[in-house]
Amino acid sequence: GAGVSQSPSNKVTEKGKDVELRCDPISGHTALYWYRQSLGQGLEFLIYFQGNSAPDKSGLPSDRFSAERTGGSVSTLTIQRTQQEDSAVYLCASSPSGANVLTFGAGSRLTVL
Amino acid sequence: QKEVEQDPGPLSVPEGAIVSLNCTYSNSAFQYFMWYRQYSRKGPELLMYTYSSGNKEDGRFTAQVDKSSKYISLFIRDSQPSDSATYLCAMRSLVDTNAGKSTFGDGTTLTVKP
Repeated sequence: GAGVSQSPSNKVTEKGKDVELRCDPISGHTALYWYRQSLGQGLEFLIYFQGNSAPDKSGLPSDRFSAERTGGSVSTLTIQRTQQEDSAVYLCASSPSGANVLTFGAGSRLTVL
Repeated sequence: QKEVEQDPGPLSVPEGAIVSLNCTYSNSAFQYFMWYRQYSRKGPELLMYTYSSGNKEDGRFTAQVDKSSKYISLFIRDSQPSDSATYLCAMRSLVDTNAGKSTFGDGTTLTVKP
């Protein structure tokens, strides 16, 4: 596609429910990143996929967070047993291999009641 | 203390003003310095990218890096209402070849009033 597409754009859920957030990167971009941006905060790195290599999960805040990338393209970030502190905007970005420029999606705004 | 400190503002200026946005950092290994602009309800977009010290100019935007002071700046000349956004600084070291693992500031919210 023309840009990085994320869905849903907004998600309201109840505490304890599981949520799935989807990212469709730019076609041909081998690198894909997930970030979390809490209100008034900078970007917190969560996880990184590069081609067929094992993902870098060093930023995942707890084992309730997981992500997968199927076929080297679409990625899903799953948050299990959501907590109120999980409320944030979850941003996805992609880039060609070795590039310094990231292209971000518009984000998925998660609200946990 | 955070590795990258950025004044959150908010900063409000009249149209046409010169805007100065700044970040300080503590990690002397940082070599790549970026400025991102983020409009409301949108993802960040890369504005400027510099390596090591010095200045870089692109139209109305100038990025400055002072590694001796661990201080970077973004100047916006002849500011326009369309410049109203949150500006995030980001930086990483040579070791971090992964562009996505940059350390980000918390962002400064800028409003340019007509």
